[in-house]
Amino acid sequence: KQEVTQIPAALSVPEGENLVLNCSFTDSAIYNLQWFRQDPGKGLTSLLLIQSSQREQTSGRLNASLDKSSGRSTLYIAASQPGDSATYLCAVMAQGGSEKLVFGKGTKLTVNP
Amino acid sequence: KAGVTQTPRYLIKTRGQQVTLSCSPISGHRSVSWYQQTPGQGLQFLFEYFSETQRNKGNFPGRFSGRQFSNSRSEMNVSTLELGDSALYLCASSLKGRTQYFGPGTRLTVL
Repeated sequence: KQEVTQIPAALSVPEGENLVLNCSFTDSAIYNLQWFRQDPGKGLTSLLLIQSSQREQTSGRLNASLDKSSGRSTLYIAASQPGDSATYLCAVMAQGGSEKLVFGKGTKLTVNP
Repeated sequence: KAGVTQTPRYLIKTRGQQVTLSCSPISGHRSVSWYQQTPGQGLQFLFEYFSETQRNKGNFPGRFSGRQFSNSRSEMNVSTLELGDSALYLCASSLKGRTQYFGPGTRLTVL
C-alpha cells in the first residue's frame, strides 16, 4: 500500500528565503508525482507534475525534483514571498491506469514579511 | 476555459439525512475523481470515473456512492449521514494520466 510522507508538517520562514519541502513515498512504481498548493478552505491548485521518467520540472520560482529509486521528491521555492503562504501537498499516481492520487498530509508554509 | 465547478459550495445536514454533491469537469475531461478531506485523515480517495464507468473505489462504506453522466458531469451521494462525514469534498478532472484539476470543494457539515 502506497504511503506518502511530507516533512516538515509546518515551516515558518522570513520573506526572501529559499526553501525546500520534502516528500517521500514507499512504492516506487509510480506513474507521476504532483505538487499542489491549498489555501485555507479552498480547493487544490496544481503547481507541478513530474512524470516517472523525468527528474525535475520548473515553473517560475518553483522547481520540483524526483528520485523514483529512493522514493523522494523535493519542491524548491526560490525567494519566498508572503503570498506563498499555504499548505503544500504532494501526491503520487500509481502505474496501472488508475487516476487515483495518494496524498501526503502536507506542509503548512508561512512566509513572514 | 472554465475550471472544475462544484455545487453546492456549503451544506448543513443532520444525522440520518442523505446528500447529493455535483461536479462539472473541465470541458473535454472525461476522468473525474472524488476525495474527502478532513483535518485528521487528510485527503482520501473516494471514487474514480471515466466515460460513465467507475474505475476505482476507495475504502469507504457503501453509504458513499457516485455516478458519472454522458456529459462527464459527476455526482456523489452519501446516505444516512453520520457526524464523521463532515468534511470538504473535492472533485478533480483530468485528461487520462495528466495533471488533475481540482474544484473549490463542497463543505459538508453534519449536525
